[in-house]
Amino acid sequence: RKEVEQDPGPFNVPEGATVAFNCTYSNSASQSFFWYRQDCRKEPKLLMSVYSSGNEDGRFTAQLNRASQYISLLIRDSKLSDSATYLCVVRRTGTGFQKLVFGTGTRLLVSP
Amino acid sequence: DAMVIQNPRYQVTQFGKPVTLSCSQTLNHNVMYWYQQKSSQAPKLLFHYYDKDFNNEADTPDNFQSRRPNTSFCFLDIRSPGLGDAAMYLCATSRDVINRPRPYEQYFGPGTRLTVT
Repeated sequence: RKEVEQDPGPFNVPEGATVAFNCTYSNSASQSFFWYRQDCRKEPKLLMSVYSSGNEDGRFTAQLNRASQYISLLIRDSKLSDSATYLCVVRRTGTGFQKLVFGTGTRLLVSP
Repeated sequence: DAMVIQNPRYQVTQFGKPVTLSCSQTLNHNVMYWYQQKSSQAPKLLFHYYDKDFNNEADTPDNFQSRRPNTSFCFLDIRSPGLGDAAMYLCATSRDVINRPRPYEQYFGPGTRLTVT
């Protein structure tokens, strides 16, 4: 089982729709959580850090459920420019340096 | 603007011919990373420098080496590229400080796309 699992999609939605992605992680020691956005043939860009209480940034809302070990990303009022791959990323806690673990991403296609 | 810069953006090399990719950062971050990403796959960490300390991932082939001459620069050397090494190579940085308000976020450079002929 992969440490971070995402539905690869693609999720095809019309402009203006609301879409949600979930991501599950297997290591209960995971402590920090992020959503990155990656456009085709470009680098990943940090979209949001995910905090325990959940957080919102404009049209984007991230939630963390530690009991069930999943993170979600909600996008409201989808724009064409939201079309991209969304990477779920977790980092463990523990002694010493802990690397990030990336999911393979969920692809979103927003159509006119 | 503070940023992570990678050169070149596109690199074509011949099978077996050594190649060096470079990364520089103006963020003054203490940790620098090299990732390999192939199509439709997650970025795969090759190694990272925590300050001057080099940390290799267990499954990174010996063919891949790295140098960090100073805080700002980091190089990825591929000693004998094979066809399977064709990929996007991503450099990233982070400031790893306990109790920092926004800890552990990594910032990526634009990547170098390597083609092996």
